[in-house]
Amino acid sequence: DTGVSQDPRHKITKRGQNVTFRCDPISEHNRLYWYRQTLGQGPEFLTYFQNEAQLEKSRLLSDRFSAERPKGSFSTLEIQRTEQGDSAMYLCASSLDYRNQPQHFGDGTRLSIL
Amino acid sequence: TQLLEQSPQFLSIQEGENLTVYCNSSSVFSSLQWYRQEPGEGPVLLVTVVTGGEVKKLKRLTFQFGDARKDSSLHITAAQPGDTGLYLCAGGLTGGGNKLTFGTGTQLKVEL
Repeated sequence: DTGVSQDPRHKITKRGQNVTFRCDPISEHNRLYWYRQTLGQGPEFLTYFQNEAQLEKSRLLSDRFSAERPKGSFSTLEIQRTEQGDSAMYLCASSLDYRNQPQHFGDGTRLSIL
Repeated sequence: TQLLEQSPQFLSIQEGENLTVYCNSSSVFSSLQWYRQEPGEGPVLLVTVVTGGEVKKLKRLTFQFGDARKDSSLHITAAQPGDTGLYLCAGGLTGGGNKLTFGTGTQLKVEL
């Protein structure tokens, strides 16, 4: 068990650029979640996949955000035309597909918009 | 409106003291998880509780889930500097899908 892996750990970009983050879940976990965390706050849910199907999206996930999990393994989160307000830690978590299974988090991608 | 309220928000204590962190809501949760997070890292799972009234112990940490599954507490006995961090409670709402709703967090600092 190598844990949830996220790449890159840090991303600095100019406003208006597109960015893409990758998440590799724990190998036997078929549920994958994306959260966003700003300084001093708890994480907020963005979206969730069961295998390759995206089953739920938060209202926080504007049209500029898109997430994929094409083969039911790793996932990508893309932000187009980044804005200052997108600066945050983007966290990925995974879990087994049973009720009340705990979610295990990666160390996140810290996004800074200049 | 914050669904899960944690108190206190900040706590600074001396090594060896005991402390309790509270996590309260007006909503019922099917499960509740406690995490600890250090700067620049993701939350690390400490415990999951699913049954009302359930008590779980992890070394010097004691977790309790309220009878009505609306609240939880984390008690640390004889705190150590290594306990320093951000403690987060997170619940799965009954009928709320699989997403976690996180509390506001409690920043704990344990000094020598």
